[in-house]
Amino acid sequence: EVQLLDSGGGLVQPGGSLRLSCAASGFTFNTYGMSWVRQAPGKGLQWVSAISSGGNNKYYAESVKGRFIISRDNAQNTASLQMNSLRAEDTAIYYCASLQSGRFDSWGQGTLVTVSS
Amino acid sequence: EVVLTQSPGTLSLSPGERATLSCRASQSVSSTYLAWYQQKPGQSPRLLIYAASSRATGIPDRFSGGGSGTDFTLTISRLEPEDFAVYYCQQYGNSLWTFGQGTKVEIK
Repeated sequence: EVQLLDSGGGLVQPGGSLRLSCAASGFTFNTYGMSWVRQAPGKGLQWVSAISSGGNNKYYAESVKGRFIISRDNAQNTASLQMNSLRAEDTAIYYCASLQSGRFDSWGQGTLVTVSS
Repeated sequence: EVVLTQSPGTLSLSPGERATLSCRASQSVSSTYLAWYQQKPGQSPRLLIYAASSRATGIPDRFSGGGSGTDFTLTISRLEPEDFAVYYCQQYGNSLWTFGQGTKVEIK
């Protein structure tokens, strides 16, 4: 069974940093791209970042470019999102998702990030 | 960036009725990279349809997808109580992923 376990969310002040993690199991991790998608309270889904299966190619939404860094460790079956210079508008549930042929196959349970003073 | 516009915003129907959801793209989208998701309150999204018309694993055949170019549809042939949820379309192109704003299917 495919499982994606998101963790690392919490309350952080504006300008602060947070690192999200996603632990994967139940599939061949190093053959899938991985991505982060967020959902602000009461709003729709917004793609944030993606990384290729080997980790060589990284992609970011314009709203987070230069502030967020995506990475992965294929030996540990984990993906991460380092979030810096956080803003109030980054407040959302962050989901990790496996990526195949442009679609998000499986999703984690989400981790809540709240940016507030 | 491709903008996806879903309509209607809310669809009020009764169990057993047919639901037709629309997703219109601001420019042509490859059918290979058009997907639909279902999200219920308090849950993560779930992949329903990929490549515009292929059902994901375990998705009942009352769900079907169609369309091409800039116009895509998700059809639920006969609504079951568990189908009342929010539905999102999503596309991929030029190393960018975008979602529509969602259509809520509610019980009438």
